[in-house]
Amino acid sequence: GESVGLHLPTLSVQEGDNSIINCAYSNSASDYFIWYKQESGKGPQFIIDIRSNMDKRQGQRVTVLLNKTVKHLSLQIAATQPGDSAVYFCAENKYPGSNYQLIWGAGTKLIIKP
Amino acid sequence: NAGVMQNPRHLVRRRGQEARLRCSPMKGHSHVYWYRQLPEEGLKFMVYLQKENIIDESGMPKERFSAEFPKEGPSILRIQQVVRGDSAAYFCASSPMGQGTNNSPLHFGNGTRLTVT
Repeated sequence: GESVGLHLPTLSVQEGDNSIINCAYSNSASDYFIWYKQESGKGPQFIIDIRSNMDKRQGQRVTVLLNKTVKHLSLQIAATQPGDSAVYFCAENKYPGSNYQLIWGAGTKLIIKP
Repeated sequence: NAGVMQNPRHLVRRRGQEARLRCSPMKGHSHVYWYRQLPEEGLKFMVYLQKENIIDESGMPKERFSAEFPKEGPSILRIQQVVRGDSAAYFCASSPMGQGTNNSPLHFGNGTRLTVT
């Protein structure tokens, strides 16, 4: 079946350290993957996306890695800051070529320790 | 979240009442998408609309739920005869053109939190 899951429901990281949030997916047909951040009481905020023809993509302080062989996606946040505290969702597209029908994981809560 | 406006932010309805949720897309955007989120879960796609047209409603429950996006005014998600299971956060996103993976990712509003008592 199709599923996107996260290994760790909660991740605590020391401020200034790097954070790595992992995600597994099972739909081999997916060609688009995306990470969103959601703060309490707000809508999902786009962080970074990657297409299946890439293995790595970098943004500002964030890097997404895609390993299609083992169907694994990860989000790396460099020099974690208090403002990074949120729930992070990975998602994959349900159908190739579309990016609005997304299969979302349950989310990982990132906690920043001072 | 910039630009997509949803109201009300919180809505309380008793069982059997109707809920109307509004979404004003970003200026110049003619495509709207509705999603539902249960606590501690990811979003689930409900419906994709273009002005005056429903493009994809494959995620909408067959009964009690409807959506529209008129030529003028906001998009409306309507839930008739609400039940406790309808309690959730409902999010809207918009885009200037139809979505494919060559287009920019969706940007969401801050949602309407519906509570059915």
